[in-house]
Amino acid sequence: TQLLEQSPQFLSIQEGENLTVYCNSSSVFSSLQWYRQEPGEGPVLLVTVVTGGEVKKLKRLTFQFGDARKDSSLHITAAQPGDTGLYLCAGRFYNQGGKLIFGQGTELSVKP
Amino acid sequence: KAGVTQTPRYLIKTRGQQVTLSCSPISGHRSVSWYQQTPGQGLQFLFEYFSETQRNKGNFPGRFSGRQFSNSRSEMNVSTLELGDSALYLCASSLAARGPDTQYFGPGTRLTVL
Repeated sequence: TQLLEQSPQFLSIQEGENLTVYCNSSSVFSSLQWYRQEPGEGPVLLVTVVTGGEVKKLKRLTFQFGDARKDSSLHITAAQPGDTGLYLCAGRFYNQGGKLIFGQGTELSVKP
Repeated sequence: KAGVTQTPRYLIKTRGQQVTLSCSPISGHRSVSWYQQTPGQGLQFLFEYFSETQRNKGNFPGRFSGRQFSNSRSEMNVSTLELGDSALYLCASSLAARGPDTQYFGPGTRLTVL
């Protein structure tokens, strides 16, 4: 059973465009994290959100955690080629013993 | 401070063989988690070790096992390899891994089973 759904799976855009990646679950997250992974490397943590309704910003990246703590989004403003990579959301659930469950990932390609 | 290191980086095995992968966590980190990453299934949790004890386990068959040593270094073993075990195996370390702890990932070991 896939507890966590991430969309879209692939995204190809031009430099300067905006984009949003979504992460949803039917269960409540105790916490949620967003990672970015580049080829040949392991994922790198971008942000952790814990409180419902929380909004965090990291330069051109804005992360939102839903009020009910069942969904999250990552919005990138004015995407650049350097943003290209695999974006992963990962959540912990109260009934999963603290395991970190990852979404399928969003493969983002930003063309110059 | 050195990051998480994994050895070997690449490995080719044949069906039926067994394999051992190694992970050295960041100095001071006592928790090590292992993940399998494939194009079809994404990143899936294998198990977590903390202070030499398995604290959490994913839904993988018993052919997948692991252990952690007193210096926090960890190994995972896969016996009787199958073609479907071809994947990137990632190790992540953290201070405590309870709650929203920051996990630091290694570069992974790319395992190919022929």
